[in-house]
Amino acid sequence: DVKVTQSSRYLVKRTGEKVFLECVQDMDHENMFWYRQDPGLGLRLIYFSYDVKMKEKGDIPEGYSVSREKKERFSLILESASTNQTSMYLCASSLDPGKTQYFGPGTRLLVL
Amino acid sequence: DQQVKQNSPSLSVQEGRISILNCDYTNSMFDYFLWYKKYPAEGPTFLISISSIKDKNEDGRFTVFLNKSAKHLSLHIVPSQPGDSAVYFCAACWRGSGNTGKLIFGQGTTLQVKP
Repeated sequence: DVKVTQSSRYLVKRTGEKVFLECVQDMDHENMFWYRQDPGLGLRLIYFSYDVKMKEKGDIPEGYSVSREKKERFSLILESASTNQTSMYLCASSLDPGKTQYFGPGTRLLVL
Repeated sequence: DQQVKQNSPSLSVQEGRISILNCDYTNSMFDYFLWYKKYPAEGPTFLISISSIKDKNEDGRFTVFLNKSAKHLSLHIVPSQPGDSAVYFCAACWRGSGNTGKLIFGQGTTLQVKP
C-alpha cells in the first residue's frame, strides 16, 4: 500500500511566522502535490513537483513556496503566515500526474 | 473559473437506497475522471475512475457513469450504507500529450446515509 505521511496533524501558528509542512511518500512516486481544502471550495492545488528539484505553480501559489530535495519528500513553506492561510493542507503523490493520487492524512493549520 | 462543479453541497439518503452524486465539467479536453471519498480528519481516498472512452465503470456497490455530450458524470452507490457517509469529490484531468495531467477537483458533496 502507498503510504503518504505528513509531519503534523494539527498546527497553531502566529501571523508572520514561517511555517514548514512536510510530506513523505514511500512508493518512489515521481509526482507530489500540495493542496488546501476549504469548505465550499474543494481541493485547490498550490504547487506540484514532477521530479527532484522541479516544481510548478498550481492554481493558488501566492504566499507559498515548496522544496523537493529528495524524491520522497516534498515540503510546503509559508514564508510569513497569514490568517487567510488557515486551512486543511493535503499532500498527495502519484506515479503519473494523470493517474490516481494518494493522499496523506492532512494538516489542519490555524493561523492566529 | 470552476472547471469541475459539484452543484449539490449535500445529500441525505436512507440506508439501503441509492445515492446519486453528480458532477459537471466544462473542459471538453478532460479524458479521465475520478471520484474520491473523504472522511473528517483524513485525507481523500481513491474510489473509482473512468476513462473518456467508456461511459460506465462498476466496482462493487459503486458505479460511475459518464455522459460526454452533456459533460456530466455521476456516482451511484447501491445500496447505500451508513459507512458511506463522507465528502465525495469528483476530479478530472487531461492526459493528452504535452499536458501535465494534473487533477482538477470539484467542491465536494457531503453524503449522509441515515440508518
